[in-house]
Amino acid sequence: DAGVTQSPTHLIKTRGQQVTLRCSPISGHKSVSWYQQVLGQGPQFIFQYYEKEERGRGNFPDRFSARQFPNYSSELNVNALLLGDSALYLCASSLGPGQVTGELFFGEGSRLTVL
Amino acid sequence: DQQVKQNSPSLSVQEGRISILNCDYTNSMFDYFLWYKKYPAEGPTFLISISSIKDKNEDGRFTVFLNKSAKHLSLHIVPSQPGDSAVYFCAASGINDYKLSFGAGTTVTVRA
Repeated sequence: DAGVTQSPTHLIKTRGQQVTLRCSPISGHKSVSWYQQVLGQGPQFIFQYYEKEERGRGNFPDRFSARQFPNYSSELNVNALLLGDSALYLCASSLGPGQVTGELFFGEGSRLTVL
Repeated sequence: DQQVKQNSPSLSVQEGRISILNCDYTNSMFDYFLWYKKYPAEGPTFLISISSIKDKNEDGRFTVFLNKSAKHLSLHIVPSQPGDSAVYFCAASGINDYKLSFGAGTTVTVRA
């Protein structure tokens, strides 16, 4: 069975541009979460979506937005890119929106570099 | 505000010996704790977890200990193997909490 897939794996953008990252969850998983991992730090929660609705949002500016589609795949959009947005963006899927007790499966991530 | 802290950025251990990774947390509402392992160019993978109602959970070579009064947990790997060389993240969640709060990670290197 395929795991969580993310695209693109690497991309380079310049300041002020916009980026869209994509994620396909494990088959049967209805919840998708996004995390940002800056070099030298642990992943930080950005969003959780379940059944196409936003269930939670971390402490990120409004330049960050996301959505979930009927097939449970998801997109993360970041507008007006800043140098500080350079990071590994991780998508994670789970069966449902409840408390995280381990059943959170991560993709390989999308490495974004902002120049 | 870093609610989960891993104060040792790296750990080097000889193959066959014990690896001990430490983690501290500040949020008393956390009631579930997890360890994730991450290899380069891969996403984190779940390793082991512990509920706050327990003080120990064991899975093969991996054991997690929780000291609630000290807000401290540790991961023991015995015996350490070369394939254990990776970054280990401590994470925590609270009741009805849909997100994980991660520490900064500890890079473990197992020497042959």
